[in-house]
Amino acid sequence: AQTVTQSQPEMSVQEAETVTLSCTYDTSESDYYLFWYKQPPSRQMILVIRQEAYKQQNATENRFSVNFQKAAKSFSLKISDSQLGDAAMYFCAYRAGSYQLTFGKGTKLSVIP
Amino acid sequence: DVKVTQSSRYLVKRTGEKVFLECVQDMDHENMFWYRQDPGLGLRLIYFSYDVKMKEKGDIPEGYSVSREKKERFSLILESASTNQTSMYLCASGPVFGRDSSYNEQFFGPGTRLTVL
Repeated sequence: AQTVTQSQPEMSVQEAETVTLSCTYDTSESDYYLFWYKQPPSRQMILVIRQEAYKQQNATENRFSVNFQKAAKSFSLKISDSQLGDAAMYFCAYRAGSYQLTFGKGTKLSVIP
Repeated sequence: DVKVTQSSRYLVKRTGEKVFLECVQDMDHENMFWYRQDPGLGLRLIYFSYDVKMKEKGDIPEGYSVSREKKERFSLILESASTNQTSMYLCASGPVFGRDSSYNEQFFGPGTRLTVL
């Protein structure tokens, strides 16, 4: 069974600084997709960034980028120039050919003004 | 914009009551999902549906059932609510799995925080 591990239950970052959230996963599949979702307090979960396993280039969306290490089964999220609005729960998720996403347990990110 | 809506943001029920949580999506997605979210446990899949009237058990289906009579609507049913079902319930929808990555994410509703007394 696929598993997704987020080893940092909580993290904090100073406003305008950079922070990296870690995620590792276990799979025997060669073709799969990885996601980072953001859930702000009392608000809807939204997709931050996605990465296709068959692509070597790391995905980037504005201040958000990933470091995808396929051999190491690692998928970390880097947030640059952190803003107060980045404070949220962040979930790493995995999907292969099945219907469902497998989620990690989440990392709560606090942004210090 | 994809929109997934859930019938209630907050719900308080008594032990033993039958509870219905409704979810509606407006993007013609084939797949719909019900998750339960608890602190420290992340999101756990209860049930999902890949077509009208079709359903599959997820990781924690005990105590729950689902109904999908129309493509856009997916209901979660707690036949006899218990206190250990107090939780946040998230509905999600998504299209069929495909090579194009834009078709592989799930879109979430705002969640229903259910309290069973």
